Amino acid sequence: AQTVTQSQPEMSVQEAETVTLSCTYDTSESNYYLFWYKQPPSRQMILVIRQEAYKQQNATENRFSVNFQKAAKSFSLKISDSQLGDTAMYFCAFMKNNNNDMRFGAGTRLTVKP
Amino acid sequence: DADVTQTPRNRITKTGKRIMLECSQTKGHDRMYWYRQDPGLGLRLIYYSFDVKDINKGEISDGYSVSRQAQAKFSLSLESAIPNQTALYFCATSDLAQGRETQYFGPGTRLLVL
Repeated sequence: AQTVTQSQPEMSVQEAETVTLSCTYDTSESNYYLFWYKQPPSRQMILVIRQEAYKQQNATENRFSVNFQKAAKSFSLKISDSQLGDTAMYFCAFMKNNNNDMRFGAGTRLTVKP
Repeated sequence: DADVTQTPRNRITKTGKRIMLECSQTKGHDRMYWYRQDPGLGLRLIYYSFDVKDINKGEISDGYSVSRQAQAKFSLSLESAIPNQTALYFCATSDLAQGRETQYFGPGTRLLVL
């Protein structure tokens, strides 16, 4: 079974600074997908960024980027120029190729301070 | 995402009662999912459905049942609710035909079993 570990239960960052959230996963698969989801206080789950394991290039979405290290099974999320609206729980998730059983980490609570 | 709706948004029920949570989507996606979220555990998959005639158990299906009444509707039932089913429940959809397997979540239903 795949497991996803987020080792940082809580983090904080000053507005406009950069923060990196860690995620590691365990799998024997070679083809899979990785995701970061954001859950603000409204509790809505919002997709932040996704990465296909077969792609070597790290995914980026505006201020959000990932550092995907396949050999190390690491998938960290970097948030640049942090904004107050980035305050939320962030979940890392893993999904095998063509298997919709997505596994989530326990989450990291990020607080952006003014 | 307003394209995925869940009713009710909040529900309090008593042990032993039958309860149904409903999910509707206007995204036209074939695949639908039910997850539960518990503090410190992230999201865990309960059931998923690839189309109207296809139902699959997820990681934690015991104590739950589902019904896929139409492509756009996927209901989750607790036949006899128990207190440890108190959680936040999410419905999600995805569409492999887009070539990008990504799940889109509803707003969640907070369930309290007394």
